[in-house]
Amino acid sequence: DVKVTQSSRYLVKRTGEKVFLECVQDMDHENMFWYRQDPGLGLRLIYFSYDVKMKEKGDIPEGYSVSREKKERFSLILESASTNQTSMYLCASRSRENYGYTFGSGTRLTVV
Amino acid sequence: QKEVEQDPGPLSVPEGAIVSLNCTYSNSAFQYFMWYRQYSRKGPELLMYTYSSGNKEDGRFTAQVDKSSKYISLFIRDSQPSDSATYLCAMSAEDYKLSFGAGTTVTVRA
Repeated sequence: DVKVTQSSRYLVKRTGEKVFLECVQDMDHENMFWYRQDPGLGLRLIYFSYDVKMKEKGDIPEGYSVSREKKERFSLILESASTNQTSMYLCASRSRENYGYTFGSGTRLTVV
Repeated sequence: QKEVEQDPGPLSVPEGAIVSLNCTYSNSAFQYFMWYRQYSRKGPELLMYTYSSGNKEDGRFTAQVDKSSKYISLFIRDSQPSDSATYLCAMSAEDYKLSFGAGTTVTVRA
């Protein structure tokens, strides 16, 4: 069964910490995405990557960066965590041939 | 104005009823339309996928797209308690990026 795996289900971090969220897919997909999901706002795109070492800003990139050194792994970095970054973070991937995304189970991040 | 509008509900129906969900959108470049289902504490999973206008049926699920009205719908027939979830519409143009609705929370009462 194809999978997108996010390293942590729940995280609690302190304000100002640097936070790393990891995502790994085993489907050899070219495209990977990071979204955050907040009640009433739906999913908002933070960053995406067309392929290895490529990245593009999404709709809300401020305060975030990403890294894609290998095809299967896409990392989201919160440079200096703030309380307004408390959210559910979802990673997804897709192949070039298919518009459907496969999502991970999400990481619920709380910044205190 | 949001690019994709979806009534968040919540929607509560008795078992066996038809569930009707819909989204409107403003971007006429959207060509690919999807519905995702998200159970509590899980990531969204792809439920239905439609290209351009028309209907698509898969078991108890029917997706409709009316591009002239910029309106898409999902119908669930003979709803079951296991259909209780949040349903997200999503759509994209010829690029990689999906735009999502806010999601509608559905509860099917046994």
